[in-house]
Amino acid sequence: DQQVKQNSPSLSVQEGRISILNCDYTNSMFDYFLWYKKYPAEGPTFLISISSIKDKNEDGRFTVFLNKSAKHLSLHIVPSQPGDSAVYFCAASSMKTSYDKVIFGPGTSLSVIP
Amino acid sequence: ETGVTQSPTHLIKTRGQQVTLRCSSQSGHNTVSWYQQALGQGPQFIFQYYREEENGRGNFPPRFSGLQFPNYSSELNVNALELDDSALYLCASSLDQGTYNEQFFGPGTRLTVL
Repeated sequence: DQQVKQNSPSLSVQEGRISILNCDYTNSMFDYFLWYKKYPAEGPTFLISISSIKDKNEDGRFTVFLNKSAKHLSLHIVPSQPGDSAVYFCAASSMKTSYDKVIFGPGTSLSVIP
Repeated sequence: ETGVTQSPTHLIKTRGQQVTLRCSSQSGHNTVSWYQQALGQGPQFIFQYYREEENGRGNFPPRFSGLQFPNYSSELNVNALELDDSALYLCASSLDQGTYNEQFFGPGTRLTVL
């Protein structure tokens, strides 16, 4: 049973526009959420995170929104750039565990068209 | 500071064989986690090692085992390979255990089991 879902396998956006990537989770024990970006032939790289005590976290062009009641989070990229084309993984964890058991979603492949 | 490296890049084995995958963490990182990423899915947590001891494990059978060495290198061993073990294997190192610590991923080892 998938605990972290990313229902859009792919997304295409024009350069300069907003990219919105969505993620849903089922386990109410999750209290820390992360987004990773992955280019081909490279490992995932950490992008941005949010803990459940917040509903928004911003870092430059990247903003993550968390709706705990809906068990939903989204990553907004504004403005989108061609270099943002990659696979984006939503991931969730619990700060109560002492180890990094991070549960990843299946990923969304973002293409930013110049 | 060098990043996380993994060897080999690609590997082909036959069912029933044993395999050892290697990871070199960033210097000073006491924690290493291993993930399995099947095609079209996100990385799945296998286990984590902290200061040479396993301190967390995902839903993987005992034929998946690991070692962490004092020189920041680690190994993932898989015995009695099955066809379903074909996947990209990622290691990730972090400064310390616990969710807050950013994980730095290697590029992965692509294992094919025939």
